[in-house]
Amino acid sequence: DGGITQSPKYLFRKEGQNVTLSCEQNLNHDAMYWYRQDPGQGLRLIYYSQIVNDFQKGDIAEGYSVSREKKESFPLTVTSAQKNPTAFYLCASSLGGYTDTQYFGPGTRLTVL
Amino acid sequence: AQKVTQAQTEISVVEKEDVTLDCVYETRDTTYYLFWYKQPPSGELVFLIRRNSFDEQNEISGRYSWNFQKSTSSFNFTITASQVVDSAVYFCALSEALRQESNTGKLIFGQGTTLQVKP
Repeated sequence: DGGITQSPKYLFRKEGQNVTLSCEQNLNHDAMYWYRQDPGQGLRLIYYSQIVNDFQKGDIAEGYSVSREKKESFPLTVTSAQKNPTAFYLCASSLGGYTDTQYFGPGTRLTVL
Repeated sequence: AQKVTQAQTEISVVEKEDVTLDCVYETRDTTYYLFWYKQPPSGELVFLIRRNSFDEQNEISGRYSWNFQKSTSSFNFTITASQVVDSAVYFCALSEALRQESNTGKLIFGQGTTLQVKP
């Protein structure tokens, strides 16, 4: 089945630790995105990637890092520099342009202890 | 600046009632795309519809219908004969081009409307 997978579903982190969230897609999409969702709010863009080995900061990139070494994979690292990382993280992909529909993965809920 | 407003934070209806979710957007672009997504309790965003700014025809898909009006910058979503399974958070979103040379886009989301359908 074609789709987007994210792992883990739940993640707990101690303060000062870096953690990496996984995102994989087998839709053969060029573009991939990371969004953050806080309770009662819409989604905000963290990073996006149009092609392999290229990625750009979104609206709230501070404290996060990404890589895009393969077309199918776009992992997100939440670093210790992120002041308030507890949130729901959603990965999305699309064929490419802003006219294309973005499809979302099931999300990872990160909690800082 | 681009913006999406969903003024209704929560709506509660009884099963079989019709319900309309409002969405108002702001954009300077003449070409843009609007979307609706559903977020059930599991958390995954499910795509419902995409509409471009040049197509003002209303669309119906089963119990779902969408009313797009450029004159009022609105893209409202109606569920007819609501069911308990419709309970979810619904997001309206506007697509914005990030970089002209690459055509990459991002979605600007409204705050979401939580719909509760009671049996």
